[in-house]
Amino acid sequence: AQSVTQLDSHVSVSEGTPVLLRCNYSSSYSPSLFWYVQHPNKGLQLLLKYTSAATLVKGINGFEAEFKKSETSFHLTKPSAHMSDAAEYFCVVREGYQKVTFGTGTKLQVIP
Amino acid sequence: SQTIHQWPATLVQPVGSPLSLECTVEGTSNPNLYWYRQAAGRGLQLLFYSVGIGQISSEVPQNLSASRPQDRQFILSSKKLLLSDSGFYLCAWSLGQSATNEKLFFGSGTQLSVL
Repeated sequence: AQSVTQLDSHVSVSEGTPVLLRCNYSSSYSPSLFWYVQHPNKGLQLLLKYTSAATLVKGINGFEAEFKKSETSFHLTKPSAHMSDAAEYFCVVREGYQKVTFGTGTKLQVIP
Repeated sequence: SQTIHQWPATLVQPVGSPLSLECTVEGTSNPNLYWYRQAAGRGLQLLFYSVGIGQISSEVPQNLSASRPQDRQFILSSKKLLLSDSGFYLCAWSLGQSATNEKLFFGSGTQLSVL
């Protein structure tokens, strides 16, 4: 069975400081991993995805994530937070084409 | 506690056939309800959302329709499926108490293959 754990329900950072959103997963197979972002009143937007190519994945808006198989982690990072990054972020694991599991989400607050 | 049920989990339908996917929420009242789709190689796309019975907003023009006959029931339909309707469909709900505090809870999804 697959599962996704987002370790923090809320993260608060100051503008200009680094962002780290943590995600651990479990999967019986080699999964595909995704990060989605949801801004208020908007649908989910794909930030980046890992599909067994390079382990360091770069996404939109300066975000990147590193797939670490030994740690079963896929943490999302950004060197410098911007006010517009305030949103909720979802880590997602997918096996094959049928089973998709979403994490419970991490709300990112950016303090001016 | 609140739960969301979505069925069926997988569905294979021929082109031109009708579609009905159902989603129900338990344990809450007057939720906001959503239908998302993830097509192959693409991110999630919001298809419809509803803030109350009979109130449906469509985000993109398409071959699908949605209905909300009861407070906690959301149905995704099509009269004639197209090949391009294949994808992974997710129902979701939120409390909708605040635009900045809305957390989405997702169903388990339906994998639709149109052949």
